[in-house]
Parts: sequence; structure tokens; C-alpha cells
Amino acid sequence: AQRVTQPEKLLSVFKGAPVELKCNYSYSGSPELFWYVQYSRQRLQLLLRHISRESIKGFTADLNKGETSFHLKKPFAQEEDSAMYYCALSLNSGGYQKVTFGIGTKLQVIP
Amino acid sequence: ETGVTQSPTHLIKTRGQQVTLRCSSQSGHNTVSWYQQALGQGPQFIFQYYREEENGRGNFPPRFSGLQFPNYSSELNVNALELDDSALYLCASSHGLDPDTQYFGPGTRLTVL
Repeated sequence: AQRVTQPEKLLSVFKGAPVELKCNYSYSGSPELFWYVQYSRQRLQLLLRHISRESIKGFTADLNKGETSFHLKKPFAQEEDSAMYYCALSLNSGGYQKVTFGIGTKLQVIP
Repeated sequence: ETGVTQSPTHLIKTRGQQVTLRCSSQSGHNTVSWYQQALGQGPQFIFQYYREEENGRGNFPPRFSGLQFPNYSSELNVNALELDDSALYLCASSHGLDPDTQYFGPGTRLTVL
């Protein structure tokens, strides 16, 4: 069965410091991986997906199949980055997309 | 473009009761997924509906059931409520051509006493 692990429940960094939110997954096939973000009092929203290979709000994530990781990175943290971040894995399971989420990491950017 | 809406925002039930939660999909979306998010956990997949048919289910018992209507709005029904059913219930809609891009509603907070 697929699994997504986010080892840190809380990550605190100072403004301007680099950020790395860790995500490891277990799945033997070729997964599609995503990062979702939930800002305070807002709904869960897609931040980025690995197939897009794009940078959103300065965040990037690289899929490392050898280490089965999909860490989220940003070189310089900003206060508005404070939020809950969820890593998610999606796979086609008999005609539908089943999404498995990690437990989330709360990012706290200290001014 | 109208976003995903859910009702009610929150409700309180007692053990053994039944509850119906509602979701209105984003305009043009024909796929809806329901998730349960317990406190301190990530969302957990309950099931997915596509064109009014359930086409996928997670590890939830049959007392969790759903419906999708011709206008693609959806319901989640839970029978014989248990204390552990207390959670935030999220629905997410997507288009069949891009099922991975899910748009989430604000959720319904269910408390079972």
C-alpha cells in the first residue's frame, strides 16, 4: 500500500532562512506527487505537482525516485509562507485517482 | 467561476445517529472526492464519484455512503455514528480530464458526542 511520510510536525525558521519540508513516500510504481498548502482560515489548495517542474511562490520540489523523496524547498522564507503543508501521492487505482496525504508539517516563519 | 462549497459548516450529533453532508462542485467539474481529516492528521480518502457513479473507495466501512447528482453536487452520508467519526470532512472536485487537480471545499466539522 502507498504511504506518505512527513517526519516533522512543526518546522520553525527565521525569515530569510532556507526552508526544506521533507516528504518520503512508499510506492513501487511511478507515482504522481503533490504539495498542498493550507493558510490560516483558508481551504486546502494545490501548491505544486512534480510533473509540472515549476516554481510556485518561490517553492520547488524535486522527485528523487532513488530516495523516494519529494522535499519542498525555498531558498528564502517569508512570513507569508507560514502555513500547513501536506505532501500527497496520487495513483491510478482501477480507473480513479486515489490520493494519499501525509500528516502535514506546520511551517512557522519567525520575523 | 464558482468554487467548491460545503454545508453545513459544522454540526453536532450523538452516537448512533445518521448525518448527511453536502458539497457543491466547482462549475464544470464532474468528479468529486470526499476526505475525512481527523485532528492532527492529513486528509484520508473516503471515496470518489464520477458522473454519478462511485468509482473508487478507501478503507471506510459501508456505513459511509454517498451520492452524486446530475448537476454534480454530492452528498456524504454516515450511518450509526461513532465517536471516532468526529472530524473535518472535505470534498474536492475535479474535471475528469484533469483528475489530479482537485479544488477543495472549506469542510464540514462533525462532532459526535
